[in-house]
Amino acid sequence: NAGVMQNPRHLVRRRGQEARLRCSPMKGHSHVYWYRQLPEEGLKFMVYLQKENIIDESGMPKERFSAEFPKEGPSILRIQQVVRGDSAAYFCASSADSSNYGYTFGSGTRLTVV
Amino acid sequence: AQRVTQPEKLLSVFKGAPVELKCNYSYSGSPELFWYVQYSRQRLQLLLRHISRESIKGFTADLNKGETSFHLKKPFAQEEDSAMYYCALSDNQGGKLIFGQGTELSVKP
Repeated sequence: NAGVMQNPRHLVRRRGQEARLRCSPMKGHSHVYWYRQLPEEGLKFMVYLQKENIIDESGMPKERFSAEFPKEGPSILRIQQVVRGDSAAYFCASSADSSNYGYTFGSGTRLTVV
Repeated sequence: AQRVTQPEKLLSVFKGAPVELKCNYSYSGSPELFWYVQYSRQRLQLLLRHISRESIKGFTADLNKGETSFHLKKPFAQEEDSAMYYCALSDNQGGKLIFGQGTELSVKP
């Protein structure tokens, strides 16, 4: 079991471009969570998804950010028209249910906006 | 508001010394508390959770509801314990975790 896979590991985008971050959950996991870690800060919850459904997006910025977890394929976190303040590490976690049991993190994607 | 506070950004100790990483939380209800660890160049991984009351790699943590604390302790630190440690809280409503800012533990030889 390869665990939670995130790609790319590093992503560089110019201001105004789009960033697409991918997360493949562990086998058998249907719950996905995205977190953002700004420099010198802890991880901040962004969004919680199950297959084809957004369950909790209370941590998502109101504009430019969106997430999906289609029936087939990885979960995608999409950031449109990136700005310097979007530079951060983005972590994905997956679990088999919502009880935090077996909550597993990916290695993260480090986004740098230049 | 739900909040987790780790007051120490960096904690530096010598090998063999006792370690205590502080964690305080703010939550009205019965939260579940966790400690996660991130070793250099590795992913975040669960160290322990309060409901299991287990000891992992010599670390223990006791939930003190009166002081709203969940401090992580180890009697004798080892160099391989050097890592970032994050305290986290779950409101048991949907799986999301609320993290503290993290404490970097540095164990010197």
